[in-house]
Amino acid sequence: DAGVIQSPRHEVTEMGQEVTLRCKPISGHDYLFWYRQTMMRGLELLIYFNNNVPIDDSGMPEDRFSAKMPNASFSNLKIQPSEPRDSAVYFCASGSQGTGGYTFGSGTRLTVV
Amino acid sequence: AQTVTQSQPEMSVQEAETVTLSCTYDTSESDYYLFWYKQPPSRQMILVIRQEAYKQQNATENRFSVNFQKAAKSFSLKISDSQLGDAAMYFCAYRSWGGSEKLVFGKGTKLTVNP
Repeated sequence: DAGVIQSPRHEVTEMGQEVTLRCKPISGHDYLFWYRQTMMRGLELLIYFNNNVPIDDSGMPEDRFSAKMPNASFSNLKIQPSEPRDSAVYFCASGSQGTGGYTFGSGTRLTVV
Repeated sequence: AQTVTQSQPEMSVQEAETVTLSCTYDTSESDYYLFWYKQPPSRQMILVIRQEAYKQQNATENRFSVNFQKAAKSFSLKISDSQLGDAAMYFCAYRSWGGSEKLVFGKGTKLTVNP
């Protein structure tokens, strides 16, 4: 099992550009989460999916952020247009109901200049 | 809404000694999970230990154990025989049982292990 795979590991982009972060969850997991980590706000949930359906997107900062899960093997998080305040580490995690903890990917460090 | 509080931003311990990291939480639910995650400089989030609220017995994983006090809403992590590789950020997290599946995290405690 390769674990949760995120790409890219690092992303540097200019303000106003579109950014796409990608995630491949562990096969068989029916929950997928996107978290954002910053020094100021810690780990915040952005959105989570169950069986590819968005369940809670209340943490998505604003309309510039969108996330999709077109199938059980893939999810992406898009920011358009990006702003410097979006700079953070973005984590994807997956799991199954009743298993307790979730498995996190290695994260994408996004820097918007 | 549930909240998780870690009151120690930083802690340090001598190698081979024991250290305890504190966590308190607030919830009106009776059934839930609690977790400790470790985040080393590599930034990978690693599950260290979990506790189901209905279990009275404290969870143990090798050198890691918890002290779960449900009435006090306290969930501390004890690391015995500390090793240099234990140096990391440690996050306490809460998850509902039967409600929202999301993890709610504390702000974290940075643990330094001195040789």
